[in-house]
Amino acid sequence: GAVVSQHPSRVICKSGTSVKIECRSLDFQATTMFWYRQFPKKSLMLMATSNEGSKATYEQGVEKDKFLINHASLTLSTLTVTSAHPEDSSFYICSARIVTGQGALVTQYFGPGTRLTVL
Amino acid sequence: AQKVTQAQTEISVVEKEDVTLDCVYETRDTTYYLFWYKQPPSGELVFLIRRNSFDEQNEISGRYSWNFQKSTSSFNFTITASQVVDSAVYFCALRDTGANSKLTFGKGITLSVRP
Repeated sequence: GAVVSQHPSRVICKSGTSVKIECRSLDFQATTMFWYRQFPKKSLMLMATSNEGSKATYEQGVEKDKFLINHASLTLSTLTVTSAHPEDSSFYICSARIVTGQGALVTQYFGPGTRLTVL
Repeated sequence: AQKVTQAQTEISVVEKEDVTLDCVYETRDTTYYLFWYKQPPSGELVFLIRRNSFDEQNEISGRYSWNFQKSTSSFNFTITASQVVDSAVYFCALRDTGANSKLTFGKGITLSVRP
């Protein structure tokens, strides 16, 4: 089946630094990519939706300047956490969507997640 | 607005017991999709099943079975003869069919299967 990769899988950084997380669809071109955030023992919260070549659409309450999303190609989306602080520590999961069958079938694949710890 | 409710938060069973995970959803859409995902301790979401709103046929796949009841807006998931490897967090999710459709997740149920 389709695979979505994330890099890095785990990152520890100092407060104030910026961290970039990459999300790649390995064997398909994703029409849309999503970024989720998950706190310990909590559900997945959608942060933003991005389409290749256009600006990301952020969910209410998500700071655009804090979480920069770049969807440069149909196989790559990046999330940059700028000036990270300890409260940004979380599990970040990306997801890639593919539409096939003349729009009849929408399938969403998830990456393995990136655990960010900000000291 | 869409909403997925998983009233159970934690369930603990002994191996070989059957366990049912409940899911109730709310949507104004007439066409939608329902999903169950499993998230083991590693963190990676594992897709289990997708159901269309117009397909109420219930399904059994190995030790897993699903009960979709549109009349009660429920999409329950049962594991028969549970195993330790089934221990994970299970999420029910709902997606509409609009151009900007999004997945809405429930809060998840932590299942612990003891040997």
